[in-house]
Amino acid sequence: TQLLEQSPQFLSIQEGENLTVYCNSSSVFSSLQWYRQEPGEGPVLLVTVVTGGEVKKLKRLTFQFGDARKDSSLHITAAQPGDTGLYLCAGARGSNYKLTFGKGTLLTVNP
Amino acid sequence: GAGVSQSPSNKVTEKGKDVELRCDPISGHTALYWYRQSLGQGLEFLIYFQGNSAPDKSGLPSDRFSAERTGGSVSTLTIQRTQQEDSAVYLCASTPRLGRGNTDTQYFGPGTRLTVL
Repeated sequence: TQLLEQSPQFLSIQEGENLTVYCNSSSVFSSLQWYRQEPGEGPVLLVTVVTGGEVKKLKRLTFQFGDARKDSSLHITAAQPGDTGLYLCAGARGSNYKLTFGKGTLLTVNP
Repeated sequence: GAGVSQSPSNKVTEKGKDVELRCDPISGHTALYWYRQSLGQGLEFLIYFQGNSAPDKSGLPSDRFSAERTGGSVSTLTIQRTQQEDSAVYLCASTPRLGRGNTDTQYFGPGTRLTVL
């Protein structure tokens, strides 16, 4: 059973387009993180959201945590080739140190 | 660099051989994690260390997998009698674990790509 479902699994767009990727679960998470992973490297943390309904912005990236803390979205405005990578969401439950990762969304932004 | 380092970066081995994968966490980070990332899969938790102890080994797939950490620093993941299904990227991450809670940033190494022929 995959606790965190990410969609779409693959996304290929042109430079300048907007996109949204989703991270959904039937479970409640106390916090949720988004990571980006480039080929040959480990994931790098982009953001942590902890409050239901929270919205965080990181330049052209907007992250939202659902009101019920079961889902999250990542919206990228005016995508650039440098945004290409695997986007992973990861949730933590209660005081558990263990993160549960989704399978990721592989984004390709074509120039 | 002051990041997490892993060695080797690539390892090709024959089925049935033993392999050792090494992780050097960021200096001062007390918590250390091992994950496995297979093609098309997310990160699969293997084991968690707090200092030298491993309070959670629940993700180790079988008794062929073991890990240790010495001096609260370097960790080694050992896979005995490797099988083809062990082929994956093995990632290590460390966190400072400065206090209670679960929103620590995990700093990942670049991973070791293991191929079992």
